[in-house]
Amino acid sequence: GAGVSQSPSNKVTEKGKDVELRCDPISGHTALYWYRQSLGQGLEFLIYFQGNSAPDKSGLPSDRFSAERTGGSVSTLTIQRTQQEDSAVYLCASSFGGRNGELFFGEGSRLTVL
Amino acid sequence: QQQVKQSPQSLIVQKGGISIINCAYENTAFDYFPWYQQFPGKGPALLIAIRPDVSEKKEGRFTISFNKSAKQFSLHIMDSQPGDSATYFCAASIGLNYGQNFVFGPGTRLSVLP
Repeated sequence: GAGVSQSPSNKVTEKGKDVELRCDPISGHTALYWYRQSLGQGLEFLIYFQGNSAPDKSGLPSDRFSAERTGGSVSTLTIQRTQQEDSAVYLCASSFGGRNGELFFGEGSRLTVL
Repeated sequence: QQQVKQSPQSLIVQKGGISIINCAYENTAFDYFPWYQQFPGKGPALLIAIRPDVSEKKEGRFTISFNKSAKQFSLHIMDSQPGDSATYFCAASIGLNYGQNFVFGPGTRLSVLP
């Protein structure tokens, strides 16, 4: 596709369930980022993948959160044992990498934990 | 030191007026300062960006003013239009050996009245 694709666009789950959110970056982009945006709030950095380098996981809020990127392309963000405070829009972005690069964002996955 | 502060939180401007959003940072290692625009239900999109070796950058109605000594930068929207109503995020980026990471401000919700 032409842009960053995220799925599902909406996910409603019960507290304690695990969820997986998927991100398909723009073809050729080596950098991939996950951010969390709570209602009316800013962008909270979660994790950053760049090529074959070890990911920067410094933004993951707890060990319930994990992410992987397979084959340098598709990424999956997994939240285990979801809590109500995990409810937010999860945004994925990709870029060509390097310095001063433009981030291209997907439209996000809205997660609601009941 | 990794924070980017942004003000105001919300802004209401009449059509044709000037919208001004201010940001400040502490970390002098930041070397790239983009502004992103986000419409409801969409991911943020790059609006304009500046590097610290330039004091001003203008693209159409949008201008970034950068004050390196004060560690502040601002976005000016001239002749504001109702279509400019969106949330604006300033950001700062640190170049890394293998890429870059971004810190976003908390956002400013702009409403331009017709």
